Amino acid sequence: KQEVTQIPAALSVPEGENLVLNCSFTDSAIYNLQWFRQDPGKGLTSLLLIQSSQREQTSGRLNASLDKSSGRSTLYIAASQPGDSATYLCAVRLSGGSYIPTFGRGTSLIVHP
Amino acid sequence: GAGVSQSPRYKVAKRGQDVALRCDPISGHVSLFWYQQALGQGPEFLTYFQNEAQLDKSGLPSDRFFAERPEGSVSTLKIQRTQQEDSAVYLCASSLSLRRGRDGNEQFFGPGTRLTVL
Repeated sequence: KQEVTQIPAALSVPEGENLVLNCSFTDSAIYNLQWFRQDPGKGLTSLLLIQSSQREQTSGRLNASLDKSSGRSTLYIAASQPGDSATYLCAVRLSGGSYIPTFGRGTSLIVHP
Repeated sequence: GAGVSQSPRYKVAKRGQDVALRCDPISGHVSLFWYQQALGQGPEFLTYFQNEAQLDKSGLPSDRFFAERPEGSVSTLKIQRTQQEDSAVYLCASSLSLRRGRDGNEQFFGPGTRLTVL
């Protein structure tokens, strides 16, 4: 069974710092990996989707990398802002026809002014 | 519509009451998922539809949970005889199709329904 772990569980940083959030998974036979953001009391907003054949995806200040062999993905946030405060979740979908993503528990990020 | 919508946003039920949660996916999206998210946890898969067909309901925690999508668009998750352990946020997500290319399997989530069972 795929297990997804996210560290750290919580992070508090001053505005302007560059951040790295980590996601690790136990089964490297993945189809894709997706990073989401969740604001308190809200649903999930998709940030980046990385297919198994890709090594990274970028959107604005966000960059996600994927290393299947080591079972890891990192989400890099450049020049963090208070508006980045949220919980960040990664979800991994296995290859072989599976359509059920496995989510990590998330990293709760607070960026203070 | 512009995105996935869910109603109600909040539901308080007395233990033993039946509830129905609605999901309106993005127009044209073939795949629809339901998830349950407990406080401080990631979403847990409940069930999956491709059009009107429920292809997987392995995540439903008990036979008190029932989901349908009769016309392949709107879906309803029904919980009968609610228990306190059913308290959670119920999330719905849709995607264009699982067999499409790179962008087709990206999931888009609704805001969720927060269910509190007293």
